[in-house]
Amino acid sequence: DAGVTQSPTHLIKTRGQHVTLRCSPISGHKSVSWYQQVLGQGPQFIFQYYEKEERGRGNFPDRFSARQFPNYSSELNVNALLLGDSALYLCASSFARGANTGELFFGEGSRLTVL
Amino acid sequence: AQSVTQLGSHVSVSEGALVLLRCNYSSSVPPYLFWYVQYPNQGLQLLLKYTSAATLVKGINGFEAEFKKSETSFHLTKPSAHMSDAAEYFCAVSEGSSASKIIFGSGTRLSIRP
Repeated sequence: DAGVTQSPTHLIKTRGQHVTLRCSPISGHKSVSWYQQVLGQGPQFIFQYYEKEERGRGNFPDRFSARQFPNYSSELNVNALLLGDSALYLCASSFARGANTGELFFGEGSRLTVL
Repeated sequence: AQSVTQLGSHVSVSEGALVLLRCNYSSSVPPYLFWYVQYPNQGLQLLLKYTSAATLVKGINGFEAEFKKSETSFHLTKPSAHMSDAAEYFCAVSEGSSASKIIFGSGTRLSIRP
């Protein structure tokens, strides 16, 4: 069975541009979460979507937005890119809504470099 | 607010030696605790999780962790290190039974010496 897939795997943008990252969860999983992992740090929670509704939001500016589609795939959008947005963006899926009740399965991430 | 602190950003042990990665948590409610592993250029994989069922939790690849409420600790151990254990390890905590997010520590890089 396919795991969590993310695209693109690598991308380079310049300051001020916007970016869209995509995630396909494991078949049957209804929850998708997004995390930002800056080099040398642990992942930080950005959003969770469950059944196509936002269920949680981390401490990120409004430049960050996301949505979940009827097939449970998800997009993360970042506008007006800053150098500090350079990071590995991880998508995780789970069957259940709560982080405790179901295991999170992570994709390999999208590595964004902002120049 | 809940948080985790991982003591030691880098740990190096010899192959066959004991692995001990330290994690302390802060939580105002009974925590749910996790250890994840990240191999180079890969996503995170769950090693084990504590959900109040038992204080000693066994995970994959021979790892285990013990929840000690009095010490607010959840240290990860493995009796005998293998070269394939070299990776980044993250301790994490969630914000309650219906919480949607996991809070990760800053990570500990484990190196294995031949």
